[in-house]
Amino acid sequence: AQSVAQPEDQVNVAEGNPLTVKCTYSVSGNPYLFWYVQYPNRGLQFLLKYITGDNLVKGSYGFEAEFNKSQTSFHLKKPSALVSDSALYFCAVTLSPDSGGGADGLTFGKGTHLIIQP
Amino acid sequence: DAGVIQSPRHEVTEMGQEVTLRCKPISGHNSLFWYRQTMMRGLELLIYFNNNVPIDDSGMPEDRFSAKMPNASFSTLKIQPSEPRDSAVYFCASSLLAGAYEQYFGPGTRLTVT
Repeated sequence: AQSVAQPEDQVNVAEGNPLTVKCTYSVSGNPYLFWYVQYPNRGLQFLLKYITGDNLVKGSYGFEAEFNKSQTSFHLKKPSALVSDSALYFCAVTLSPDSGGGADGLTFGKGTHLIIQP
Repeated sequence: DAGVIQSPRHEVTEMGQEVTLRCKPISGHNSLFWYRQTMMRGLELLIYFNNNVPIDDSGMPEDRFSAKMPNASFSTLKIQPSEPRDSAVYFCASSLLAGAYEQYFGPGTRLTVT
């Protein structure tokens, strides 16, 4: 079975400072990893994904994430936070096709509330 | 493209009543997912379809829940009879294919069962 852990329910960052939202995963093979963001009363929006290749993935709104296979982590980062980044962030994982997946749904973490203080 | 469309956006019903939630995926997408979101349990995958065929319904809570996808442009999630513990936001999402492709979420249906 696959799982995702987001160890922090909430992360508080001052505007202009760098931010990190943590995510670790567990799958029985190679992962495909995703980050989504949810604003109040809205559906989830795709931010970025890691499939293969470069471990540093760049996505929407200046966000990036680094895949670390040895630590089974996929932390979300941004060099300079904006108040408008305040939202609920979800990490998700699925098994890659070369490990027997490829037609499966995503397993989401419980989400991390990111609060950017002016 | 209009994105994933869900209806109704809000539903308030009494315990014991039948509830039907509707979803229109993005045209050309071959996979459709139903999720439920609550404060206590977070985001849960209920069921998903590939090419209109249900692939994994292990997340469906119990027999009161059923989902159909009669064609590529329409899916329903039905709860019969509804119970207060079914109160949640229900999301539909679609993607080109399950797996590597990102999912696009609808705005959700907020269900309240009294």
